[in-house]
Amino acid sequence: GAGVSQSPSNKVTEKGKDVELRCDPISGHTALYWYRQSLGQGLEFLIYFQGNSAPDKSGLPSDRFFAERPEGSVSTLKIQRTERGDSAVYLCASSKQGSTDTQYFGPGTRLTVL
Amino acid sequence: AQKVTQAQTEISVVEKEDVTLDCVYETRDTTYYLFWYKQPPSGELVFLIRRNSFDEQNEISGRYSWNFQKSTSSFNFTITASQVVDSAVYFCALSEETGNQFYFGTGTSLTVIP
Repeated sequence: GAGVSQSPSNKVTEKGKDVELRCDPISGHTALYWYRQSLGQGLEFLIYFQGNSAPDKSGLPSDRFFAERPEGSVSTLKIQRTERGDSAVYLCASSKQGSTDTQYFGPGTRLTVL
Repeated sequence: AQKVTQAQTEISVVEKEDVTLDCVYETRDTTYYLFWYKQPPSGELVFLIRRNSFDEQNEISGRYSWNFQKSTSSFNFTITASQVVDSAVYFCALSEETGNQFYFGTGTSLTVIP
């Protein structure tokens, strides 16, 4: 079956512009995570969606970051007024039920802010 | 405090050597789950294993084996007869029954030299 897909695979933008990243989880998976990975670093948790529950947004670094998952499937991560420090790989993962299940990762979106 | 500690930042071994990657975790939950992921140079995280806190049996899968010891809060990963294709960053992760997050370690970068 299809895995987690993310688009675009690469995004280059200018400082100050807004960007939108998309994640398509594995069909039937109710939980979805966004992470950020800077070059050579570990994974930084951003946000977690579980079914219809309110998302856990505790990892979002600032109010410039916004994520939604309106119909419980596809998710978008929006970054407003991008800064050079936002440059990273943004990874999406989904799991069947919740936070104790195995997460399956997408290939990531490499964001470069010039 | 770090929930998951991978003290080895980088390891280099010569092909066919055995190598053990250490992972130490911290939790107060009695029910929790431990994971290992592989991130090859291509970037996509690949799931390797999930283990729950009630199953302390060691696991072997081909050249890979995992040693789970609750007494020392460790979940170490051994690769036997390493190969160049094993070169990657390996992440250990913890998920607790309470809470929403996966806690990833900072990763161990393994280089297998031919």
